[in-house]
Amino acid sequence: SQQGEEDPQALSIQEGENATMNCSYKTSINNLQWYRQNSGRGLVHLILIRSNEREKHSGRLRVTLDTSKKSSSLLITASRAADTASYFCATDEDSSYKLIFGSGTRLLVRP
Amino acid sequence: DAGVTQSPTHLIKTRGQQVTLRCSPKSGHDTVSWYQQALGQGPQFIFQYYEEEERQRGNFPDRFSGHQFPNYSSELNVNALLLGDSALYLCASSYRTGLMEQYFGPGTRLTVT
Repeated sequence: SQQGEEDPQALSIQEGENATMNCSYKTSINNLQWYRQNSGRGLVHLILIRSNEREKHSGRLRVTLDTSKKSSSLLITASRAADTASYFCATDEDSSYKLIFGSGTRLLVRP
Repeated sequence: DAGVTQSPTHLIKTRGQQVTLRCSPKSGHDTVSWYQQALGQGPQFIFQYYEEEERQRGNFPDRFSGHQFPNYSSELNVNALLLGDSALYLCASSYRTGLMEQYFGPGTRLTVT
């Protein structure tokens, strides 16, 4: 079963614009991660935010986490055509070793 | 530094057959997790291996089994293949608990006809 649900399912923006995608989850977590996947191949880890953190930055990426609402957002600033990919959030259930992925947001950045 | 490798890249099998997929973890990693990703969906956790034992299992039938070798590489076996087993199978490696970031391989695309 899926833990997280990303919103929107698909997003199309112009190069240079910002892209925001959201993730909601159901259970308490230790951390939340965001991954990128190009063309149905392997996933690339983008950023990890712990449950006691509220915001984290990495380059053009900004992630927020609201544990009271069980939600997270990923902001990509100044998007590039190379950012075109599917983005997934993944969480761990308490005392669990497995990552639970959402259904993903498909981002298209138009040149 | 080699990343996670998986073989084969693509595989076509017939219903009822058996398949074995292979994974070599990133150097320094000792934990391997397997995921199944259906088209248009997020990856779903199959199981995780650590110290050559299955540490946790997702909601998959016993037709799915695995193994981890002393060099930390791993195999995923699927018996009695069904059409619904067609998917991208991803291997991910990590160090120890696996609750930190996981490094994914490129995946094996399995098609069952």
